[in-house]
Amino acid sequence: GENVEQHPSTLSVQEGDSAVIKCTYSDSASNYFPWYKQELGKGPQLIIDIRSNVGEKKDQRIAVTLNKTAKHFSLHITETQPEDSAVYFCAAVTRSNQFYFGTGTSLTVIP
Amino acid sequence: DTAVSQTPKYLVTQMGNDKSIKCEQNLGHDTMYWYKQDSKKFLKIMFSYNNKELIINETVPNRFSPKSPDKAHLNLHINSLELGDSAVYFCASGTGAYGYTFGSGTRLTVV
Repeated sequence: GENVEQHPSTLSVQEGDSAVIKCTYSDSASNYFPWYKQELGKGPQLIIDIRSNVGEKKDQRIAVTLNKTAKHFSLHITETQPEDSAVYFCAAVTRSNQFYFGTGTSLTVIP
Repeated sequence: DTAVSQTPKYLVTQMGNDKSIKCEQNLGHDTMYWYKQDSKKFLKIMFSYNNKELIINETVPNRFSPKSPDKAHLNLHINSLELGDSAVYFCASGTGAYGYTFGSGTRLTVV
């Protein structure tokens, strides 16, 4: 089955700096890669996603890149703000629509 | 207007008791899921139901049983609770192709 690795497990950045979270996957047939943000006491929420036919996608301060050859994808947050502090999960979805989550990254933005 | 709602939000109970967590979605999705999140924030799938049929059943103890009276509901019953069952349980609905919508979680504490 699919195996998703996520790094780093914790990340601290100064407000205004950029944050990058990286994930690798093992199944070259996986074709959908969503990212989730989980704030304290809440459930994970989908914030951005990318499909295998696209290399990059942006939504305001958030961007995701995908390198199919290397089987890795990354989440980029620019101009970080304190409200970006949360746990972020990547996921890889196989052609049979099975979800495989990464182990999570706890991001802290220091004011 | 909550898309996926689960109750209760907090549940404290003694070892050996039987408890249930309810979940309802108003998104019209065909598939619903239960996830367990441990203290390290790892998300582990427990069950999924598609049109009232169990389609994923990971290696969880048979003390856990999902029950779906209709497509909009997927409840989780837990018998003979153990200390190790303490965790946050999330209900979700959706499809792999378009991402999941999670509920806000039920924090279960077994004492």
